[in-house]
Amino acid sequence: ETGVTQTPRHLVMGMTNKKSLKCEQHLGHNAMYWYKQSAKKPLELMFVYNFKEQTENNSVPSRFSPECPNSSHLFLHLHTLQPEDSALYLCASSSDSNYGYTFGSGTRLTVV
Amino acid sequence: SQQGEEDPQALSIQEGENATMNCSYKTSINNLQWYRQNSGRGLVHLILIRSNEREKHSGRLRVTLDTSKKSSSLLITASRAADTASYFCATGMYTGTASKLTFGTGTRLQVTL
Repeated sequence: ETGVTQTPRHLVMGMTNKKSLKCEQHLGHNAMYWYKQSAKKPLELMFVYNFKEQTENNSVPSRFSPECPNSSHLFLHLHTLQPEDSALYLCASSSDSNYGYTFGSGTRLTVV
Repeated sequence: SQQGEEDPQALSIQEGENATMNCSYKTSINNLQWYRQNSGRGLVHLILIRSNEREKHSGRLRVTLDTSKKSSSLLITASRAADTASYFCATGMYTGTASKLTFGTGTRLQVTL
């Protein structure tokens, strides 16, 4: 247990479904991140939140919609996904520019 | 956009040997970090080296940073089977609002008995 909890661990969804990924941290970190990890590709930064304000959206398609209600919780709402969106989605948090990130265990998403 | 590239992509060694992984990057950085990932799990932070540092140690890990060559290396000494994992370098930049990490493609390390 790293201190960053992601649920669910696995998710299978159809292209017309709507689902949400949840991330929670109680480390007192002010910044939270969503990354996508696909096979044979580097981790891709999707969204950055700092003190619950979105500071970066890395040209992510609108079918991915983030929500950060407070500094401890981060959601990724999914709708009308494509099979190529199947990947491991990782949440991370950090507290300072010169400290490492703490990652959750990820959600393995399969779009069918 | 991809910042770090690790070399080699895969490395297989025997237990007790040293493992060296290299990372090259393209732009200026605040720090460079190394992470480890066991199969299909989250990443674990190993070590961070600031842009004004040249070498750092943590247990069996030794990291070097050469900002003039835009490169870093991670040395794992006296490797163990439990070190089998993928290792990623990531370049850190503070954008004024949050720290942003950009990852490389990783080195897959296999340590055999």
